[in-house]
Amino acid sequence: EPEVTQTPSHQVTQMGQEVILRCVPISNHLYFYWYRQILGQKVEFLVSFYNNEISEKSEIFDDQFSVERPDGSNFTLKIRSTKLEDSAMYFCASSSGIDEQYFGPGTRLTVT
Amino acid sequence: DQQVKQNSPSLSVQEGRISILNCDYTNSMFDYFLWYKKYPAEGPTFLISISSIKDKNEDGRFTVFLNKSAKHLSLHIVPSQPGDSAVYFCAASGGGNKLVFGAGTILRVKS
Repeated sequence: EPEVTQTPSHQVTQMGQEVILRCVPISNHLYFYWYRQILGQKVEFLVSFYNNEISEKSEIFDDQFSVERPDGSNFTLKIRSTKLEDSAMYFCASSSGIDEQYFGPGTRLTVT
Repeated sequence: DQQVKQNSPSLSVQEGRISILNCDYTNSMFDYFLWYKKYPAEGPTFLISISSIKDKNEDGRFTVFLNKSAKHLSLHIVPSQPGDSAVYFCAASGGGNKLVFGAGTILRVKS
């Protein structure tokens, strides 16, 4: 069964450093997303991406964040200068249309 | 942001009995609702969904009911099994792809 994969599973970085989280969505899906879950809080939407551009983003997704689909299979989330409050689980998801979204296992980002 | 609410933080059910998980929403623009199951250290796993044009959708042991007038949906699991023990999230979308999640309900199925 096709699945969304994410690397790395855990990333530790120092405050102010750049991080790139990587995702491989399900191959025939056209819509891609990033969500995050801070420990003890809800899963929150960050950004959606379709046809090589951002289709929607949340207030959280400020200028420090960017997304890219560098090739036909990868989808990345970059945080330019990490802050302590960026520590969270980051989930990538994909969907074939405006319907069920399938999530990856997540990347735990720890900013020290 | 309390657009999607799951008011029960946890639920404990005996194996073989019915589990009923509830979810309320406030945004009338929501037109698609989903339930996800999540184990620790894993991503949410899609379970079942329902469009606002329906009031019930069934898939095996899982049934979702939607009451639009009450802005309420519920997930029924019959019969409950120990492997169903997980966190269950209700999510909603409307006019786009963004999912808004509830806080989750921890389901424990006792054998």
